[in-house]
Amino acid sequence: EIVLTQSPGTLSLSPGERATLSCRASQIVSSTYLGWYQQKPGQAPRLLIYGASSRATGIPDRFTGSASGTDFTLTISRLEPEDFAVYYCHQYGISPYTFGQGTKVGIK
Amino acid sequence: EVHLVESGGGLVQPGRSLRLSCVASGFIFDDYAMHWVRQAPGKGLEWVSGITWNSGRINYADSVKGRFTVSRDNAKNSLYLQMNSLTIADTALYFCARNQGYLDYWGQGTLVTVSS
Repeated sequence: EIVLTQSPGTLSLSPGERATLSCRASQIVSSTYLGWYQQKPGQAPRLLIYGASSRATGIPDRFTGSASGTDFTLTISRLEPEDFAVYYCHQYGISPYTFGQGTKVGIK
Repeated sequence: EVHLVESGGGLVQPGRSLRLSCVASGFIFDDYAMHWVRQAPGKGLEWVSGITWNSGRINYADSVKGRFTVSRDNAKNSLYLQMNSLTIADTALYFCARNQGYLDYWGQGTLVTVSS
């Protein structure tokens, strides 16, 4: 099973600041099969990024995904109030498909 | 517009069974694989199972293998999860999600509580 380790567990930032979220895979994951989701309390997850760097429909360009080997990064260039949430990475290349444990982006 | 609506959750005793349903609308259901993902209270996301468009390939998480069975009825635009031998660890909000490789649309979930 591919283990995805997200860091940090919690990020405390102010609106307008830049957020950098990391996701490290325990073995090689093709960039084609790595996604990022946002989840707010009481809501279903929302797809942000697929294929490591492609934005899903309707996702603003302040969200950027990148990859380097087994390391994947989600960057939010300037935090908006609606961006404070929990973010999960997800690999869907090899079964069992797995999620990271999540990074909470909270208001400082 | 794509809609996924789960149902069938509830309170059940350990060792008992429950069947979840997910009804899809707004897209051609049998063009897509579908997945179940769960989330225990206050915890992260856990992939549970996936099924291809024609039920030709089915996968399960090790934590549910042998106890849960996923199925679909394309004529009814419906996805199912039969859950047997439930344990307290199965307590979670269960989401169905449409597969494009990634999971692009999710339902709002149905809550399963396993307790004596």
